[in-house]
Amino acid sequence: QLQLQESGPGLVEPSETLSLTCNVSGGSISTTYNYWGWVRQPPGKALEWIGSIFYRGSTYNNPSLASRVTMSVDTSTNQFSLRLASVTAADTAVYYCARDRSDGYNSAGLDIWGRGTMVIVSS
Amino acid sequence: SVLPQSPGTLSVSPGERVTLSCRASQATSSRYIAWYQQKPGQAPRLLIHGASTRATGIPDRFSGSGSGTEFTLTIDRLEPEDVAVYYCQQYGNSPMYSFGQGTKLEIK
Repeated sequence: QLQLQESGPGLVEPSETLSLTCNVSGGSISTTYNYWGWVRQPPGKALEWIGSIFYRGSTYNNPSLASRVTMSVDTSTNQFSLRLASVTAADTAVYYCARDRSDGYNSAGLDIWGRGTMVIVSS
Repeated sequence: SVLPQSPGTLSVSPGERVTLSCRASQATSSRYIAWYQQKPGQAPRLLIHGASTRATGIPDRFSGSGSGTEFTLTIDRLEPEDVAVYYCQQYGNSPMYSFGQGTKLEIK
């Protein structure tokens, strides 16, 4: 069964770049049936979608974060990654990766999630 | 943008029925509405997509409905394990995915 697992530093200094990787196991990342997405949740707050990426590299992003976000896919390792530049304390959150059952026109939701990883932005 | 959900917090007795509401940012196809359950300390879990289609493994106590800008999630025969925050989600606008601010469900 498909499983996702986030990894990356738990502490990032202000103005630096947050880098996270999501490992996909139990299935191939190279599928045409879905995208792969990132969602974050600041402590005690609601969910916020960051962006999603197709295995061939096409992406769509939240406009509020797009200028700072870079996403990529590595099909050789079955992983996809998120980089968020110029972080501030407002970027402190639990970051989740998820399977995005959209095709650019329709969506059946984000149906499989990683457990999430807490990232604190602090010096 | 964050979708309005109501109520913000709900306290209900086991066995009762609860209805949670969500307002889309603009009239949207019901295909683009999903609901999630997030228990404390856990990742969200997809409950409903397409406004009314239960995700795999979701019991039929959970049902969704709605159209236009008004959508609801109903939970029948409430169980203690249903304590969670419930989020609605809209797909297809800008940003492509918008979540609601959540409804916290408590058990009396």
